[in-house]
Amino acid sequence: DGGITQSPKYLFRKEGQNVTLSCEQNLNHDAMYWYRQDPGQGLRLIYYSQIVNDFQKGDIAEGYSVSREKKESFPLTVTSAQKNPTAFYLCASIKNTEAFFGQGTRLTVV
Amino acid sequence: AQSVTQPDIHITVSEGASLELRCNYSYGATPYLFWYVQSPGQGLQLLLKYFSGDTLVQGIKGFEAEFKRSQSSFNLRKPSVHWSDAAEYFCAVMEYGNKLVFGAGTILRVKS
Repeated sequence: DGGITQSPKYLFRKEGQNVTLSCEQNLNHDAMYWYRQDPGQGLRLIYYSQIVNDFQKGDIAEGYSVSREKKESFPLTVTSAQKNPTAFYLCASIKNTEAFFGQGTRLTVV
Repeated sequence: AQSVTQPDIHITVSEGASLELRCNYSYGATPYLFWYVQSPGQGLQLLLKYFSGDTLVQGIKGFEAEFKRSQSSFNLRKPSVHWSDAAEYFCAVMEYGNKLVFGAGTILRVKS
């Protein structure tokens, strides 16, 4: 089955550590997106990539970094510069206005 | 920048009652509008979408939504709510670059 796979589902990290969230798709989509979800704030765009080796900042990119070396993969690194990293992170791909979402990764920083 | 407003953070309805979830958007051109549903700890599932044409859109699970340009609204409705409809609902508009802009979400509780 084609889709978006995010791993791990739950992630715990100590404050000050960088952590990388995985997002893989086998839909052959060019465009991929990372959203952060916090209660009462909906989903906010962190980074997006329309094509391999290219990506753009979204609305809340500070403290995050991404890479897009392969079409299938769009990993998100939450760096120590992100002041409040505990959140639910969703990866998506979009083609022809249709969006496909992963099941999300819940990151907790202690 | 585009924005989406969902004025109701929580809504509680009785099972079998009708439901309307409100959504207002700000967008200069003809909007591409979406409603998604999310169960706790899960990804988002598309309920329905509007691009053009008939302003009343039918979706999955018995949901429908009506696009009203004059009111900049895209409210979601269901005639009879089931307990399994309890979830969080997001309205979204797609802006240039295929970026989805989401509202803050409405949490639906269904009481028996």
